[in-house]
Amino acid sequence: AQSVTQPDIHITVSEGASLELRCNYSYGATPYLFWYVQSPGQGLQLLLKYFSGDTLVQGIKGFEAEFKRSQSSFNLRKPSVHWSDAAEYFCALGNAGNMLTFGGGTRLMVKP
Amino acid sequence: DVKVTQSSRYLVKRTGEKVFLECVQDMDHENMFWYRQDPGLGLRLIYFSYDVKMKEKGDIPEGYSVSREKKERFSLILESASTNQTSMYLCASSTRTQGAQEETQYFGPGTRLLVL
Repeated sequence: AQSVTQPDIHITVSEGASLELRCNYSYGATPYLFWYVQSPGQGLQLLLKYFSGDTLVQGIKGFEAEFKRSQSSFNLRKPSVHWSDAAEYFCALGNAGNMLTFGGGTRLMVKP
Repeated sequence: DVKVTQSSRYLVKRTGEKVFLECVQDMDHENMFWYRQDPGLGLRLIYFSYDVKMKEKGDIPEGYSVSREKKERFSLILESASTNQTSMYLCASSTRTQGAQEETQYFGPGTRLLVL
């Protein structure tokens, strides 16, 4: 069975500081991985996705993620956080039927 | 621009009521999905549909049913609402191509349902 774990439920960073959100997955085949962001009162928006090729993936809003097969991880990073980045972030794993398995989410708070 | 709309942002219903949640997408997508979102559990798939009149159970289908009579519309039905169905419900859609795993799902804004 496939699963996704986001170990950090809440993270607080200062504006301008760097950010790393962790995501670990369990899947028997080549993983297809996504990061989504949910701003308060909004639906989910895709930040980036990985399905092959370069293991460092660039996304929107200055985010990037690195796929590490040996660690079964797909961590999301941003070099300098802005107050508008405060939101909930979800890592997800896709299967052949385009079904997604989501992690529990990480809520990011940004201190001024 | 991609658009997935849900009929209500907030709903309050009584235990035992029949509840309809509607989702419409304007992207001519084949696939549509219903999720529920609960704190700490992320999103869990209730039902999905690959085509008109087709439906498949997701991870937590108990207490729910769905209907897809038209390609653009996917309805979630709570036959007899219960308090443990209080949650945020999110609809999503995606296109279907050979590389289905990599297709992006586009989400609606969600319906927050409270069952009293």
